[in-house]
Amino acid sequence: AQSVTQLDSQVPVFEEAPVELRCNYSSSVSVYLFWYVQYPNQGLQLLLKYLSGSTLVESINGFEAEFNKSQTSFHLRKPSVHISDTAEYFCAVRPSGAGSYQLTFGKGTKLSVIP
Amino acid sequence: SQTIHQWPATLVQPVGSPLSLECTVEGTSNPNLYWYRQAAGRGLQLLFYSVGIGQISSEVPQNLSASRPQDRQFILSSKKLLLSDSGFYLCAWRGRQVPSLYGYTFGSGTRLTVV
Repeated sequence: AQSVTQLDSQVPVFEEAPVELRCNYSSSVSVYLFWYVQYPNQGLQLLLKYLSGSTLVESINGFEAEFNKSQTSFHLRKPSVHISDTAEYFCAVRPSGAGSYQLTFGKGTKLSVIP
Repeated sequence: SQTIHQWPATLVQPVGSPLSLECTVEGTSNPNLYWYRQAAGRGLQLLFYSVGIGQISSEVPQNLSASRPQDRQFILSSKKLLLSDSGFYLCAWRGRQVPSLYGYTFGSGTRLTVV
């Protein structure tokens, strides 16, 4: 079984400042990793994912995450946040491979960008 | 392209009343389908998932049930709502072929308030 820990439930940050949202996972098998974003009263949208290859993955809106196998982490970063980045962010993990596996989600981190 | 529809967007129901939330997926066949509930401070809780018509797996025993009468239709029901059923309900699907194999696509959610 897998588990995901998002260490911070809320992260306030000033506009244009950098941010890091932390995610650690636990698994006895190799995994795929995901970050989802949820804007208020909306469903979750896939932000980025790590399947294999380069450990640094990027999204189209400036976020990036780095898979660190030794530290079992997949922290999400952005060098300069915008007001529009205010949302809740969920880290998720599932076993690698094409089987019918379920995603396991963290409890989420609410990012509040302060003008 | 694939799309997922979930309705209604908001619902206010009295305690003891029945519930029916519907989710449909277009543009794919034989998807895996999921119902999640999101309650304040509790992250995403997987309620049910289905790998095919009539095949339902329950993750958490509770006052709710799910059905999959058609390949791309997933229904969440209750005979008698409890106050604790209030929350944000999300439907999601996952395909069986790349690229939809690796992550979930979520609907826009239903905000249920039981009064």
